[in-house]
Amino acid sequence: NAGVTQTPKFQVLKTGQSMTLQCAQDMNHEYMSWYRQDPGMGLRLIHYSVGAGITDQGEVPNGYNVSRSTTEDFPLRLLSAAPSQTSVYFCASKERGSSYNEQFFGPGTRLTVL
Amino acid sequence: SQQGEEDPQALSIQEGENATMNCSYKTSINNLQWYRQNSGRGLVHLILIRSNEREKHSGRLRVTLDTSKKSSSLLITASRAADTASYFCATDAGYKLSFGAGTTVTVRA
Repeated sequence: NAGVTQTPKFQVLKTGQSMTLQCAQDMNHEYMSWYRQDPGMGLRLIHYSVGAGITDQGEVPNGYNVSRSTTEDFPLRLLSAAPSQTSVYFCASKERGSSYNEQFFGPGTRLTVL
Repeated sequence: SQQGEEDPQALSIQEGENATMNCSYKTSINNLQWYRQNSGRGLVHLILIRSNEREKHSGRLRVTLDTSKKSSSLLITASRAADTASYFCATDAGYKLSFGAGTTVTVRA
């Protein structure tokens, strides 16, 4: 199993540009989420999904869109990039169910917005 | 807002020594988890302790949980250079994990 994969690893955008960060998992996990990590801070939840067709907002959703058309994929879209969105983005997945709470993280995408 | 807060922010120890870090949180939880992050990498799950448990062990890791004080501690015994990383506690209140800012541990050879 590849686990959780993210592309690209690095990206530089100009203010106002849009782009999509890709996330895929091959563990058949129903739950997927996106976090951002800024220096000196822990991870903050952006959006999450409990299954195909179901998404919800996390702690810092503004400026980001998500959709979940398949179990495997959970892309994160930046609509109009701003310097405040410079961060490292992590995708994570886990099995649904109260007994399995471990989240599996991807390697991250380092995004710089100029 | 961040639910968990780790203390200390940074820790430097000699190889073979023990490392202890603490986590405090604010609201009721289902469980508390600890993750490790090596520089430039994603997070790796270390251990989970449920709200009705007080102590848990996994290899060289020992985690305690005091729900009355809303705090947890992670002890790494006999540290190795490979333990150099940032450690995060995360509180689980359902589908959402809330992370603290982490403790950066440096193990000197």
